[in-house]
Amino acid sequence: AQSVTQPDARVTVSEGASLQLRCKYSYSGTPYLFWYVQYPRQGLQLLLKYYSGDPVVQGVNGFEAEFSKSNSSFHLRKASVHWSDSAVYFCALGSGGNYKPTFGKGTSLVVHP
Amino acid sequence: GALVYQYPRRTICKSGTSMRMECQAVGFQATSVAWYRQSPQKTFELIALSTVNSAIKYEQNFTQEKFPISHPNLSFSSMTVLNAYLEDRGLYLCGARAGTSSGNTLYFGEGSRLIVV
Repeated sequence: AQSVTQPDARVTVSEGASLQLRCKYSYSGTPYLFWYVQYPRQGLQLLLKYYSGDPVVQGVNGFEAEFSKSNSSFHLRKASVHWSDSAVYFCALGSGGNYKPTFGKGTSLVVHP
Repeated sequence: GALVYQYPRRTICKSGTSMRMECQAVGFQATSVAWYRQSPQKTFELIALSTVNSAIKYEQNFTQEKFPISHPNLSFSSMTVLNAYLEDRGLYLCGARAGTSSGNTLYFGEGSRLIVV
């Protein structure tokens, strides 16, 4: 079985501050990991993905994530957040031929101006 | 780029009636389409996975009789919610996989929101 845990339901930061959103996964095989963002009243947009290679992957809008096999984690980071980054962020786990990722419960990010 | 369009964006239907939603892949061939439901305050529940040349696979708690899916070609899929009731409300998302070039990445549409009254 595979699972994704996002331990923080809500994160509040000030504009310009750095950000880390946590994601832990459970899977015995080679994981495919994704971060998606959902803006209010919209669908899911892919921020970045990790399949293999460099554990630090770059995404859109200055986001990056680091894969750690030893910690079973895939945390999302941004050096300086903007108020427009306020949204719900979902971490997702896929595996091998599994084209149906398992999603975490999401982390709601609130950026104060 | 890979784009996925969903229609309608929002539907209000009476309890016991049905709603059909469509998913269109633009700029790529959707060899697999996954339908998810995001219920209020919950994360995404996978309803079914449709792969070209394979049978549609429904997840536990979801059936073809309740959520019939059609995937007639590599750019289009539709799903109907039959006899919708309050527990069926939510945002229905279509995630389309673009062949093998992008691995297991699903590209999602904006979703079709179902409101049941």
